[in-house]
Amino acid sequence: ENVLTQFPGTLSLSPGERATLSCRASQSVSSTYLAWYQQKPGQAPRLVIYGASSRAIGIPDRFSGSGSGTDFTLSISRLEPEDFAVYFCQQYGSSPRTFGQGTRLEIK
Amino acid sequence: QLQLQESGPGLVKPSETLSLTCSVSGGSITSMSSYWGWIRQPPGKGLEWIGSIYSSGSTYYSPSLKSRVTISIDTSKDQFSLTLTSVTAADTALYFCAKLSGGFYSHFDNWGQGTQVTVSS
Repeated sequence: ENVLTQFPGTLSLSPGERATLSCRASQSVSSTYLAWYQQKPGQAPRLVIYGASSRAIGIPDRFSGSGSGTDFTLSISRLEPEDFAVYFCQQYGSSPRTFGQGTRLEIK
Repeated sequence: QLQLQESGPGLVKPSETLSLTCSVSGGSITSMSSYWGWIRQPPGKGLEWIGSIYSSGSTYYSPSLKSRVTISIDTSKDQFSLTLTSVTAADTALYFCAKLSGGFYSHFDNWGQGTQVTVSS
């Protein structure tokens, strides 16, 4: 299976700063079939990015995704208080679809 | 607006069978021609895909759980279900149902709120 490794495990930043989250796959992800989800405590994951770089409906343009092959990045240009959460990457180009272990974005 | 809601027992005894149902509202499972899936999240851990099903009944399971999992669909009730046999403490998790945005190789675009299942005697 395609193992996804996210880093850093925890990212401590202040509102207004830029966040860069990474996701590395053990095998190339087919057709950039990579998504990012945001999860807040007690809530279901919320789709942020799909197809490596397409924003989901309702996601503000401060969120952007990039990458291909085995290396992907989620960037948040200017952190707002509501952006602090856990972010998971997921590949859906091969079965079994797999998730990364998550990056916790916390307020510094 | 499409909504998914999981339901089922919150406590299951070891070696018994876990059964959950996902009820879909705001749309018809048949008319959407979508794939549907189950995902779980053990306490303090990441997400694990369990399996997916198409409205026709075609199923796809995670190899690590395949021997114990059955996913079924009832289009007349707009529901799909998860059955996991011979559960152990390792199956304790928050279980989510979700809709895939398109074909099997697509992302999850709509999630239920999740239901906590604890395996304990």
